[in-house]
Amino acid sequence: GAVVSQHPSRVICKSGTSVKIECRSLDFQATTMFWYRQFPKQSLMLMATSNEGSKATYEQGVEKDKFLINHASLTLSTLTVTSAHPEDSSFYICSARAGRTSDSYEQYFGPGTRLTVT
Amino acid sequence: GQNIDQPTEMTATEGAIVQINCTYQTSGFNGLFWYQQHAGEAPTFLSYNVLDGLEEKGRFSSFLSRSKGYSYLLLKELQMKDSASYLCAVFDGDYKLSFGAGTTVTVRA
Repeated sequence: GAVVSQHPSRVICKSGTSVKIECRSLDFQATTMFWYRQFPKQSLMLMATSNEGSKATYEQGVEKDKFLINHASLTLSTLTVTSAHPEDSSFYICSARAGRTSDSYEQYFGPGTRLTVT
Repeated sequence: GQNIDQPTEMTATEGAIVQINCTYQTSGFNGLFWYQQHAGEAPTFLSYNVLDGLEEKGRFSSFLSRSKGYSYLLLKELQMKDSASYLCAVFDGDYKLSFGAGTTVTVRA
């Protein structure tokens, strides 16, 4: 099956610093990638959708200047958490879809990145 | 906004059957997914229903009724490794996934 990787798997950073998380589709071209955030014992909340070569679409309530998303190629998307604060500590998960239409509905999830801001 | 409801927790014994219900109200509908998620890991795909009826896949089955906005995931012959969170997710009219809060299933010996 399709494989999506994330790096790093865990990261601890100090308040005020920035952290970059990479999401890669290893064996397919991901036209669309999604970034989710999951707090303990809560479900996944979609943060933004990114299509290769275009600006990301952010969900309501997600600050685009704080969570910078770049989808520079068909296999790589990055999420940068800028000026991180302890409340940004969470589990960040990316997923990738091969197409833009209902013909390829399935999303493949990365293993997630645990961010802890001290 | 989207509204997806599922029970918070369920407990069952090894070898038993458990049914996890999910009701939804979303803007548009393009299918319903069930995912399994172990603590600290990403969700893994279990099933996808877009038409009414029952889809069976080994020990797991999923049912959908679009008119009722209702789905269930049936886990048969429960094993200890089935202890996990089960997420109901709806593909809305914009082909975005909206997730329920998840049902934590605990399997006891």
